[in-house]
Amino acid sequence: DGGITQSPKYLFRKEGQNVTLSCEQNLNHDAMYWYRQDPGQGLRLIYYSQIVNDFQKGDIAEGYSVSREKKESFPLTVTSAQKNPTAFYLCASRSGTGSGGTQYFGPGTRLLVL
Amino acid sequence: AQRVTQPEKLLSVFKGAPVELKCNYSYSGSPELFWYVQYSRQRLQLLLRHISRESIKGFTADLNKGETSFHLKKPFAQEEDSAMYYCALTSFSGGYNKLIFGAGTRLAVHP
Repeated sequence: DGGITQSPKYLFRKEGQNVTLSCEQNLNHDAMYWYRQDPGQGLRLIYYSQIVNDFQKGDIAEGYSVSREKKESFPLTVTSAQKNPTAFYLCASRSGTGSGGTQYFGPGTRLLVL
Repeated sequence: AQRVTQPEKLLSVFKGAPVELKCNYSYSGSPELFWYVQYSRQRLQLLLRHISRESIKGFTADLNKGETSFHLKKPFAQEEDSAMYYCALTSFSGGYNKLIFGAGTRLAVHP
């Protein structure tokens, strides 16, 4: 545990509002990831970043945006275009390089729509 | 297509019974497979990875390339094993490394 923090633990969004979820890591990992966890669907990849100033869309990127200005931080913005944002959001970072390495996860943020 | 399938949403056993959580995958190339576990109110954590060939908390998993399976096994289940288990596959393409997860299996161990 430790090393990857997410805030807030719970977040409420109003209709038409953008909200930003924070993810910070002090593990000196280059790669970071955002997943969405829904019951019965496992974890689905939203965005990922291999290094600073680089990020790629995952399988369900529509309605989300990210930035990677610092190695330690990978914030996720849930925009008003995301019509079904209620979910548990997990951030991860990965040790190792290339094809190897292991992902380590944060404690998650639960997003609810008012 | 790269895919991980966990056919059981829920597996319910009694304490002391053997457990097998099934995982099948589809991947062109040499797969790297993992089992992650999420206990109640805890973060998702790595349980084991196939290249380590180790036993963690009494669990083992063997990669069977012929059957494209990576089933998780434990000979005698304990109540503290109750959790959500996810099988995952590393996808490495174009210099990018990402994990593909199965839908998960909830293991419930009853006293």
